[in-house]
Amino acid sequence: QVQLRASGPGLVKPSGTLSLTCGVSGASFSTSDCWAWVRQTPGLGLEWVGEVHHGAASSHNPSVTGRVTLSADKSQNQISLELRRVTAADTAVYFCVKGTSVGGRALFFDSWGQGVPVIVSS
Amino acid sequence: DIQMTQSPSSLSASVGDRVTITCRATQNIVTYLNWYQQKPGDAPKLLIYSASTLQTGVPRRFSGSGSGTDFALTISSLQPEDFATYFCQQAYSVPRTFGQGTKLEI
Repeated sequence: QVQLRASGPGLVKPSGTLSLTCGVSGASFSTSDCWAWVRQTPGLGLEWVGEVHHGAASSHNPSVTGRVTLSADKSQNQISLELRRVTAADTAVYFCVKGTSVGGRALFFDSWGQGVPVIVSS
Repeated sequence: DIQMTQSPSSLSASVGDRVTITCRATQNIVTYLNWYQQKPGDAPKLLIYSASTLQTGVPRRFSGSGSGTDFALTISSLQPEDFATYFCQQAYSVPRTFGQGTKLEI
């Protein structure tokens, strides 16, 4: 059974950098696995931030273009999200997620971490 | 971006009822449509993928249908543990997008 546990600071200052990591257990980081971040707010609901596939190919939401770095490290059993120049609009609960992919498309998200609340505020 | 619209936004029902939630995409997504269930304080849980395939371990009272732009999630006989919020999500293209959610209440 795949388990994901995200961690990171709960409070980030505006214009700062949000860094989250997610420890993964029970997954083999196979070629059919992909790793994603999804965030949730009361106003916007669930928002896909981005995903990274085997071989490091990644894609992300236009709302974070130029600010985001996603990575998956099989040797560390860990995935990471770095979001730079944050604003209040980045305040959300962040979920790390394992997906199943084919041909670079995440077909579905089958395992979710517990969610980490992040507030952007001075 | 592909917009996903769910109906209704909320739904009151009773144990034993049959309920259907619909999801409409703004363009053809074939069957790249997934359904998730979320309970308060928890992460979403995958119920159905590729429009109609039941995820392992999900009770058979859940079913999905549809293709193209119109999809449905049906619960054949509501159980107390089914009262939650349900989301659809398209996997056809990036950015992946979710519906706004349907809150199923007693």
